[in-house]
Amino acid sequence: GAGVSQSPRYKVTKRGQDVALRCDPISGHVSLYWYRQALGQGPEFLTYFNYEAQQDKSGLPNDRFSAERPEGSISTLTIQRTEQRDSAMYRCASSLLGDEQFFGPGTRLTVL
Amino acid sequence: QKEVEQNSGPLSVPEGAIASLNCTYSDRGSQSFFWYRQYSGKSPELIMFIYSNGDKEDGRFTAQLNKASQYVSLLIRDSQPSDSATYLCAVRKAAGNKLTFGGGTRVLVKP
Repeated sequence: GAGVSQSPRYKVTKRGQDVALRCDPISGHVSLYWYRQALGQGPEFLTYFNYEAQQDKSGLPNDRFSAERPEGSISTLTIQRTEQRDSAMYRCASSLLGDEQFFGPGTRLTVL
Repeated sequence: QKEVEQNSGPLSVPEGAIASLNCTYSDRGSQSFFWYRQYSGKSPELIMFIYSNGDKEDGRFTAQLNKASQYVSLLIRDSQPSDSATYLCAVRKAAGNKLTFGGGTRVLVKP
């Protein structure tokens, strides 16, 4: 079956612009997670949802970052007023009931 | 002290040998432990997970968990060049919660 999909795969933006990153989880998966991964490091947790409810947003770096999953399926991670330090690979993962997490291909964000 | 620590490597292993990877974690409340493999430029893929003390085997892979000592390890038997990748250890405190990852260990299997 289809895995986790993310779009766009690559995003180049200018400092100060807003970006929206999309994640489409595996069909039927209840939990959806957002991570950020810097080169040479492991993924770092940002936030996660069970259905449409945001359960934990402790990993969001600051209030420029927000996420939503309004219908309990597709999720959007929004970064407002982007800064160069926001450049990273943003990864989405989903799990059936909070067990094994399966990762999507990621969105490579570059802020110029 | 990082919550999850791994030796960054590279761990160089001859083809056919056993690769041994270690991971230590700081939170005694951790309940579930995962090993992911990540090829260069790709996303992490789940290899296996372990919840209970002891060993768990899956094909050429064996995960070992020692909660008293707060470490989890991964053994790769009969290592193949295709096993060359970064191996990420991840820890979860409770069901449905976030994963906390180590920095990964890079493994190089030489023919």
